Order: sequence, then C-alpha cells, then structure tokens
Amino acid sequence: GAGVSQTPSNKVTEKGKYVELRCDPISGHTALYWYRQSLGQGPEFLIYFQGTGAADDSGLPNDRFFAVRPEGSVSTLKIQRTERGDSAVYLCASSPGTIYEQYFGPGTRLTVT
Amino acid sequence: TQLLEQSPQFLSIQEGENLTVYCNSSSVFSSLQWYRQEPGEGPVLLVTVVTGGEVKKLKRLTFQFGDARKDSSLHITAAQPGDTGLYLCADQGGSEKLVFGKGTKLTVNP
Repeated sequence: GAGVSQTPSNKVTEKGKYVELRCDPISGHTALYWYRQSLGQGPEFLIYFQGTGAADDSGLPNDRFFAVRPEGSVSTLKIQRTERGDSAVYLCASSPGTIYEQYFGPGTRLTVT
Repeated sequence: TQLLEQSPQFLSIQEGENLTVYCNSSSVFSSLQWYRQEPGEGPVLLVTVVTGGEVKKLKRLTFQFGDARKDSSLHITAAQPGDTGLYLCADQGGSEKLVFGKGTKLTVNP
C-alpha cells in the first residue's frame, strides 16, 4: 500500500519568502506529526494532529510556523518570512492513533538562500 | 527536557565486522525505539523495547535495554553494506511525540 508522501521533495526559496510543505498520510491514519531534521541532528518534534485539530504544537519554534489539517487527512506546514536557519529536512509521519508506530515520509528538503 | 546521547557519532567499518552503538538518556525511557534512516528517506522503525533488561533480536541485529531503563545498545553481527545508514534511538514518552538522539552514522564498506 501507499506510504506517507511529501511534496515537494526539494524546495529552494529566498530569505523572506513564504513556503508551504504538504504531507499525505497513510489512508485511515488519524494521527499526523511534523518533525524537522537539521544537518547532523535527529528529528525534532514540531506539531501533532489528532484528526483535524492540533493536539500539541509545542515544538513550533515561533509564530512564523503554522500547520493545518482541515479535513483530517492531508496536512500543510506553512512557514512565513523564511530565514536561512529554517533550512532543514521537514519530515511528516502518520499513525493509526497515539502510542502506535509512526510511519515517516521521505521528507521535504528546504533550502533558504 | 530529556536528552538522548548516542555514540559513536560516526562509524566506518569493513563488511563482515561486528559493531555496537550506544544510546544513553538523561532520564528513564518510557518506551525506547531504534530506527534506521537511509539517505533521502524517513526513519524506519526497527524495534521497540519497554522492559528493563530486555534483549530483542532481529536477524543480525541485537538490541539490549539496560536494567535501569536509561541506556541501550545495538549490536550488529557480520555487518553488510546494506546496513549502512543513520541509526537513531528515540523515546516515545507519555506524550505522543518522539524524542530522538542525534544518531550514529554507520558506513559499511564492501
């Protein structure tokens, strides 16, 4: 079956621009997670959705970052006024519910020039 | 805030050699997970361990969880080039989010 997909796979943008990163979870998975992985680091939690609502957004670094999941399936991570420090791989994961295995997508590599 | 330290940071070995990598936590693990991540891919779960002293085997991989549930090791026997990747340990604590270490980058040369 289809796994978690993320688009685009690569995104290069200029400092100050707005970007949107998309995640298509495994069908039927109610939980969706966003993580950010900087070079040489492990993934760091950003935000978690249960259904349509953000259950935990404690990992979002500042108010330039926002994520939505309006219909409880696809999610979009939005970054305003991008900075060079936002350059990283943004990973999405989904699971059938909490305490279950999280299945990761291949990530979107964001480069801010 | 829980901190996970993994060692070594990098490891390069020849095919057929054995190796061990380590993961230590600043606090007791709730549920320890080991992942492997290949370039351009997301992490893939290898194993979950919960009980102190637990040992789990997955083909040539042996995972050991410390009695105090604050440390773990991953041993690979007769490493193969296909074992190359970033090995990450993580804790799935009382919350839903995973807390990861920085990983050990393993290269197995043919």
